[in-house]
Amino acid sequence: NAGVTQTPKFQVLKTGQSMTLQCAQDMNHEYMSWYRQDPGMGLRLIHYSVGAGITDQGEVPNGYNVSRSTTEDFPLRLLSAAPSQTSVYFCASNHRGTTGANVLTFGAGSRLTVL
Amino acid sequence: ELKVEQNPLFLSMQEGKNYTIYCNYSTTSDRLYWYRQDPGKSLESLFVLLSNGAVKQEGRLMASLDTKARLSTLHITAAVHDLSATYFCAVVRTGANSKLTFGKGITLSVRP
Repeated sequence: NAGVTQTPKFQVLKTGQSMTLQCAQDMNHEYMSWYRQDPGMGLRLIHYSVGAGITDQGEVPNGYNVSRSTTEDFPLRLLSAAPSQTSVYFCASNHRGTTGANVLTFGAGSRLTVL
Repeated sequence: ELKVEQNPLFLSMQEGKNYTIYCNYSTTSDRLYWYRQDPGKSLESLFVLLSNGAVKQEGRLMASLDTKARLSTLHITAAVHDLSATYFCAVVRTGANSKLTFGKGITLSVRP
């Protein structure tokens, strides 16, 4: 049981390049989400999915695309990277804790730098 | 729009002393979470608070929730160096499924 796996851990891009951040979970969680973390800003929700084939926008969706073709995978695509997208990205998924509450489990993070 | 405020944003603590940090939120909520983050690491779940008056304790940390005041507190008893980290609270607005809105985090530093 690997939990939530993100790749790559580090990436440097040039402005205008595209790339995909991968996220996979092996816990059969229906809910998956992407957050970005910037200094002094906390975490902000980019996109989320409540199940395969269903995605929706979060607080800061511009410049990012997602898809959810399987329960396990939720990739985040940057179509044309901009320096403002320099950040640490976290993928998260839900499981139900012993109390019945939905506790988000986070991946290790992907640090992206756009030059 | 749900706003989550944490204060203070930075707290220098002396070993052995007690401290309390706060999390305020602006709308009704289904759940409130506390997470811990060490530098360069991911977020680790500490507590989930589901109802008014809920209190959870783990070691030197105790979290409570007052839904009427829209306030959660995290109390630290006899601070130790291992508690140095950034602590986030996150709130799920009523009816918003699992969409968490995070505060900006409070960085705690424990000095001898």
